[in-house]
Amino acid sequence: EAQVTQNPRYLITVTGKKLTVTCSQNMNHEYMSWYRQDPGLGLRQIYYSMNVEVTDKGDVPEGYKVSRKEKRNFPLILESPSPNQTSLYFCASSPLNRGEETQYFGPGTRLLVL
Amino acid sequence: SQKIEQNSEALNIQEGKTATLTCNYTNYSPAYLQWYRQDPGRGPVFLLLIRENEKEKRKERLKVTFDTTLKQSLFHITASQPADSATYLCALSQTGFQKLVFGTGTRLLVSP
Repeated sequence: EAQVTQNPRYLITVTGKKLTVTCSQNMNHEYMSWYRQDPGLGLRQIYYSMNVEVTDKGDVPEGYKVSRKEKRNFPLILESPSPNQTSLYFCASSPLNRGEETQYFGPGTRLLVL
Repeated sequence: SQKIEQNSEALNIQEGKTATLTCNYTNYSPAYLQWYRQDPGRGPVFLLLIRENEKEKRKERLKVTFDTTLKQSLFHITASQPADSATYLCALSQTGFQKLVFGTGTRLLVSP
């Protein structure tokens, strides 16, 4: 089954404690990205990756890091989380082949930073 | 800065009717426009993509129009069903699925 998985699904942490949210896709997609979703603001892109070792900033990259060492994985790293990073996070992937127009989102990770 | 507007008020319609949702944008000239469905607590689900040179696109009971002069897209669900109740998101980009900018979505409620 084609899917994007995220772990953990729920996380409560404290300010300053480094954390990583994992994202994995089983569709051999080149493109992966991270979004955060906040009430009234919609989905905003944090980082994206066009392929292995190729990453770029989205609209709200401050306070986040990513890496793309393998095609299937795209972890999101919060080196020193702060309360304003409390949000619902989604990972997504899509192929860059124009013949396959679709994008798959993961189930989301709800993060609370105290 | 670029702005995408979707009606923040929920749209209530009766089963069997056609639902029409609107997406307006300003300060932007997107090459691609996409629609997604999102259920509470779940990730968005991709529905349709339309290019700037396409006026209309259909998929089963869904129809999307893209008017680059009016800077507007209309999303229609014909013969709506209660299972269509969800929030529908509009998203724009210059390059397919990269650098997507999302609207805040419109909630659709279909009553039996």
